[in-house]
Order: sequence, then structure tokens, then C-alpha cells
Amino acid sequence: AQSVTQPDIHITVSEGASLELRCNYSYGATPYLFWYVQSPGQGLQLLLKYFSGDTLVQGIKGFEAEFKRSQSSFNLRKPSVHWSDAAEYFCAVGGGAGKSTFGDGTTLTVKP
Amino acid sequence: EAGVVQSPRYKIIEKKQPVAFWCNPISGHNTLYWYRQNLGQGPELLIRYENEEAVDDSQLPKDRFSAERLKGVDSTLKIQPAELGDSAVYLCASSLGRLAGYNEQYFGPGTRLTVT
Repeated sequence: AQSVTQPDIHITVSEGASLELRCNYSYGATPYLFWYVQSPGQGLQLLLKYFSGDTLVQGIKGFEAEFKRSQSSFNLRKPSVHWSDAAEYFCAVGGGAGKSTFGDGTTLTVKP
Repeated sequence: EAGVVQSPRYKIIEKKQPVAFWCNPISGHNTLYWYRQNLGQGPELLIRYENEEAVDDSQLPKDRFSAERLKGVDSTLKIQPAELGDSAVYLCASSLGRLAGYNEQYFGPGTRLTVT
């Protein structure tokens, strides 16, 4: 069965500081991996995805993520956080059948 | 291009009452998903449609939940009767579908259900 673990429930960073959100997955084959962001009262918006190829993927809003098969990880990074990045972030793993499994999310707070 | 539309955005009902949620996916998207998101958790799939066919409803509590997607476009999710534990956000998502490869899902804003 596929599963996702986001070890950090809540992270606080100062504006302008770098950010890394952790994601570990379990999947029997090469996974499809996603990061979504959810602002209060909103649906989920896709930040980036990994299907194959280059293990470092670029997304919207200046985010990037790196797929590390040996560590079963897909961590999200941003070099300089903006106050508008405060939100909840979800990592998800999926396969060719179209089913995605989501982690429980990491809430990001940005200090001025 | 319009996104995924859901209504209502908020619903408060008493337990044992029925409730229905409506979703209009992005035009041309063949796959439609209903998720339930409990507070502090990620979305959990309830049902997935490929066109009008429900291809994955293994997580749908069939004793009280039902869904339909007539004509393979709009979809309705119903709960009857609602229980206190059904309080959650119900998200609808759509994607191009399996014939287009595995495409990302586009989410609607969700319906926040409160059962009292």
C-alpha cells in the first residue's frame, strides 16, 4: 500500500529565510510525487510534480523539490520565504491508476 | 478557464439529516474525485469516476454515502443520514483522465460540513 509521511506538523521560519519541508513516501514502484499548497478556506493548488527524469523539479512560486529514491524522500525547498507563503503544504504519492495518497500536511508560519 | 466549482461552500445540519454536495469539474476533464478532509489531516479519497463510471469507491461508506455522475460531467455526493463524525471538508477534484496519462488533479474550494 502507498503511504506518505510528513514528519513536521508545524514549521515556523522568518521571512527571507530558507525553507525545507520533509516528505517520505512508501510505494512499490516508481512513484508519481506531488506537492500541493492549501490556503485557509481554499482547495489544494499544485506546486510541482515528479513523474520521471531529472530528480530536481522546479515548481511555481519559486519552490523546488528533489526526489531521492534511496531515501524515499521528496523534500520541498524554497531559498527565501515570503509572508504570503504561509499556508499548509501537502505531499502526495500516486501511481498510474490515478489514485493519490496524501500526507497529513505541514503548516508553515512565516515570522516578519 | 473556469476551475472546479463546488456548492455550497458551507453547510450546517443537524445529525440524522440528509445533505448533498455538488461539483462541476473543469471542462474536458474525464476523471472526477471526491475527497474528505478531516481537520488536521490530508484529503482521503472517497470515490473516483472515469467519465460516468465509478472506478474506485472502496473508501466510500456505502451505508450512508452515495454519489452519482450523470452524463459524465457534474457530480453529486450525498450523505443520508449525517452523523457527527461526518463533519469535514469535502473536496472535489478533476483531471484529464487515464487516457491522457497521469495528470495532476485540480481541486475545488471544498464544502465545509458541520453536523451538530
